[in-house]
Order: sequence, then C-alpha cells, then structure tokens
Amino acid sequence: GNSVTQMEGPVTLSEEAFLTINCTYTATGYPSLFWYVQYPGEGLQLLLKATKADDKGSNKGFEATYRKETTSFHLEKGSVQVSDSAVYFCALQGGSEKLVFGKGTKLTVNP
Amino acid sequence: GAVVSQHPSRVICKSGTSVKIECRSLDFQATTMFWYRQFPKQSLMLMATSNEGSKATYEQGVEKDKFLINHASLTLSTLTVTSAHPEDSSFYICSATLRDRDSLETQYFGPGTRLLVL
Repeated sequence: GNSVTQMEGPVTLSEEAFLTINCTYTATGYPSLFWYVQYPGEGLQLLLKATKADDKGSNKGFEATYRKETTSFHLEKGSVQVSDSAVYFCALQGGSEKLVFGKGTKLTVNP
Repeated sequence: GAVVSQHPSRVICKSGTSVKIECRSLDFQATTMFWYRQFPKQSLMLMATSNEGSKATYEQGVEKDKFLINHASLTLSTLTVTSAHPEDSSFYICSATLRDRDSLETQYFGPGTRLLVL
C-alpha cells in the first residue's frame, strides 16, 4: 500500500539556517504530494503541493520538488525564521481522495 | 480562499454526554469532507470520509455508532461523539476537498476541536 516516510525529529535550528526535511514515499501509479504545516494548537495548513514528476511546489520561501526517480519530496527553506517553528507533515494522495501522512517532523527555530 | 472552520474550538463535557462538532467550508462547496483524530505528538488518524447526502464511510476500527457523522449540505458536516468517555478526549480535525484548476482534489483543514471528557 501507499506510505510516507519522513525524517524523525525534532529538528532544532538557529534563525537564518538552511532547512531540509526529508520525505520519501511508496506508491503505485503517480500520486500527488503535499506538505502541510501545523502550528501549536491549530489544524493543518497546506504549505505546498506537486502533482507530477519534476514539479516544484513553493510557498513562503519553502520549496519541494517531486522526484520520481528517488521517490522523494524533500522540503527545503534557505533561511528559517522563528515563526517557522511548527510540525511539518508530508503526505501523498493516490488513487482516491484520501491522504496518507508521514509521522510529522517538529521544527524549532531559535533566535 | 478555501477556508474551513470548526465549532467549537474547545469543549469540556462530562462522561456519558454527547458532543457535536461542526465543520464548515466557508467559501467553497465540498462534496467530500474527512474527519481525523490526532493524539498528542502524533500524526492524524483518519476516522471517516463524509460525502454530502450519503452515509459516511468509516475506517477500520472506528465505531460508527460512537462517532455519528452527518453531511447535510455541501458546506456542513457534523461529528457527534455519543456517550463520550475520557478515552474519547482528543483533538478532532476535519478537512474539506476542493478541486483545483488541475483537477487535483486538495484537502483544506479546519483549525481543530479539542475535546476533554471528564
């Protein structure tokens, strides 16, 4: 079945550091891929998405490229801010509307 | 656009009572809504898929008589936790799907409802 594996957290960075959160997936066919962010005590917000190979999703300085050859969708940001502290979820959508989530990676950015 | 609201945001109830949680898509119509449950420091667990005008589809292990779902319109789905017990205490999150220009069904999430059963 479909599955998502993302790097174990927590991740702690200093402000303006480079961020990478790894995400790999297993799926049949051609899934769509998503990154969601969850701030403390809140629901999930869509951060970015990509629907086909080599697509790059981007938003708020975050980027992720759909790599079919490595079945990956790693999240990157060149310079993180304290306000980026949150839990990040990688997810895929296969043949149905259902999302399959990774376990989440908690990011803490210190001033 | 694509805003989803939930009400209430937080509820405390006594054991044995029922609690209703509303999920609304504010600026779009959603034929499909989903209900999730999230335990502390964990990922989301899908409980059920709710389609407007039809019975919800529950995931394996989720009691349909315990968690009643009604999807009465294209903008409203409700989850009722019946005869709540302390083990039902959790963070409940809904989502609504919106088809974008690329025909991708993207889920947009509500802010969540924290339920505490005493």
